[in-house]
Amino acid sequence: SQWGEENLQALSIQEGEDVTMNCSYKTYTTVVHWYRQDSGRGPALIILIRSNEREKRSGRLRATLDTSSQSSSLSITAAQCEDTAVYFCATAQQGTGSKLSFGKGAKLTVSP
Amino acid sequence: EAAVTQSPRNKVAVTGGKVTLSCNQTNNHNNMYWYRQDTGHGLRLIHYSYGAGSTEKGDIPDGYKASRPSQENFSLILELATPSQTSVYFCASGDRWGSQNTLYFGAGTRLSVL
Repeated sequence: SQWGEENLQALSIQEGEDVTMNCSYKTYTTVVHWYRQDSGRGPALIILIRSNEREKRSGRLRATLDTSSQSSSLSITAAQCEDTAVYFCATAQQGTGSKLSFGKGAKLTVSP
Repeated sequence: EAAVTQSPRNKVAVTGGKVTLSCNQTNNHNNMYWYRQDTGHGLRLIHYSYGAGSTEKGDIPDGYKASRPSQENFSLILELATPSQTSVYFCASGDRWGSQNTLYFGAGTRLSVL
């Protein structure tokens, strides 16, 4: 498998809290994608981080990438109920062209 | 906006029957993909395609065939459906070559094989 075991997570938090989801991968990559999947829908890209960026922000989202430890994280600041979703990290292994492999996902539930 | 449409949205099939899942994209993307999603496994790649006429095996191709007759259409075929193929299937199109390829997913097809 491309992925570490900690990539399957279930997180429950209250509105207004911060949360971080982690992702570790076993083969070298220079780009990590983070996708979000709402109930009953297909996943959608929310942030993409390259190895030369170390950290990337988009609104209340913050992604980090550490190629030396082959890990990435996605943080959400001041979570809201509408952030409830499943979050996946995904990478394309070197030499596999455009073949994207997904982690098992983190199910985030944000309660009022 | 990118549009990937899957049909049918729900399908009940009998064991041993043939099932065809269809996908149409209006993005004019070269790359298309079929994934299945199961609890505890996340998304797993079945087949993908780099353009009309091409199909490639993904990570779990056994029991599945794929067909890409045109830029817009990509089908997943289960010649002899089995209960283990009960799952939610997602089609996606991809906008570029390489590791920065962003995928645009359809809404999914829920398949039950009885």
